[in-house]
Amino acid sequence: DIQMTQSPSTLSASVGDRVTITCRASQGISTWLAWYQQKPGKAPKLLIYKASSLESGVPSRFSGSGSGTEFTLTITSLQPDDFATYYCQQYNSYPFTFGPGTKVDIK
Amino acid sequence: EVQLVQSGAEVKKPGESLRISCKGSGYRFISYWISWVRQMPGKGLEWMGRIDPSDSYTNYSPSFQGHVTISADESISTAYLQWSSLKASDTAMYYCARYEPGRGFDYWGQGTLVTVSS
Repeated sequence: DIQMTQSPSTLSASVGDRVTITCRASQGISTWLAWYQQKPGKAPKLLIYKASSLESGVPSRFSGSGSGTEFTLTITSLQPDDFATYYCQQYNSYPFTFGPGTKVDIK
Repeated sequence: EVQLVQSGAEVKKPGESLRISCKGSGYRFISYWISWVRQMPGKGLEWMGRIDPSDSYTNYSPSFQGHVTISADESISTAYLQWSSLKASDTAMYYCARYEPGRGFDYWGQGTLVTVSS
């Protein structure tokens, strides 16, 4: 199985901050990586697919980059609605695997 | 509007069987795979497996293979996740999600909470 790791596990930030979350795969996955946002009590929401493609309707302050084994999710100017947990997911090979999550909370 | 609507919360005893459902609407059901994802209380997301509703071909995570069965009925645009013998450790929220190969899970159900307790 491909193992996914994320750093940091928790991130404290303020509105307006630039935030970067890193995701690493235990082996190369090309660009078959997605990012999701999850708020408490809600289903996850797709933000980015194929490492850098912005899902329709997602604000442009979200962006993704990377290929192979290292990926980043960047939020250029954190908004109040962005405080949530973020997960990366590889879908290069079965079983699809998620990272452990990064919780973004208010500093 | 694309929607995945899941069946309601369940409370079961260990050893009981259960089937939960996920009904798709607003799109051609057989054109997208359905995956199931577990989230245990306070924990992260775990991919359980997926089905192609056009031919019922499935893939399972080794962590769930043999413990759950994923199926689909294209005539009613519904996917299912079932257990033949529940354990207390199956207590979790279960989500279905639509998957288009190459695009990730773009639509999710609202989740079904399964509680297994004696």
